[in-house]
Amino acid sequence: DGGITQSPKYLFRKEGQNVTLSCEQNLNHDAMYWYRQDPGQGLRLIYYSQIVNDFQKGDIAEGYSVSREKKESFPLTVTSAQKNPTAFYLCASSPGLAESTDTQYFGPGTRLTVL
Amino acid sequence: RKEVEQDPGPFNVPEGATVAFNCTYSNSASQSFFWYRQDCRKEPKLLMSVYSSGNEDGRFTAQLNRASQYISLLIRDSKLSDSATYLCVVNWRSGYSTLTFGKGTMLLVSP
Repeated sequence: DGGITQSPKYLFRKEGQNVTLSCEQNLNHDAMYWYRQDPGQGLRLIYYSQIVNDFQKGDIAEGYSVSREKKESFPLTVTSAQKNPTAFYLCASSPGLAESTDTQYFGPGTRLTVL
Repeated sequence: RKEVEQDPGPFNVPEGATVAFNCTYSNSASQSFFWYRQDCRKEPKLLMSVYSSGNEDGRFTAQLNRASQYISLLIRDSKLSDSATYLCVVNWRSGYSTLTFGKGTMLLVSP
């Protein structure tokens, strides 16, 4: 089955701990993205990567870090510097076409709760 | 500032009703437009892209008005399974997509 997987589905973390969220895709997409969604809010872009070994900050990158060592994988680390980390985290990928109709597809998400 | 505005709803409609959602966007240079559907506690899923000429997919019709900077989604003959939140999404530039999402409009279809 082709698709995007995220793990774990639910994650609990104590304050002051770093935690890494996994995102894998086997769609052969060039571009990958991380968003967070808070209740009643739209999705907000954290980081994105258009190609392996390259990534850019989104609108709310502070307190987060990413890596893109492989085309298939784009892990997100939520550091202790992120002040309000409890949220629904969504990973997405897109073919990365140099066209305006590049379409993003989402993984099932990880719900992070900081205790 | 890049903004996408939607009526949060909820829209409560009976089965079989026709319902319309509108969305406005702030950047006149926006390149492409989408409607996504998000079920409770699930990921967004692409419902349809929105083209300048308007496009239809079964019971769903999307329209774009660039002059007024708004996008609409019409759902005819509503089904119980249409209950979800509908997200209006705009890509501000050509090339790799950097999307801006509206907060979504919730639809509740009742028997």
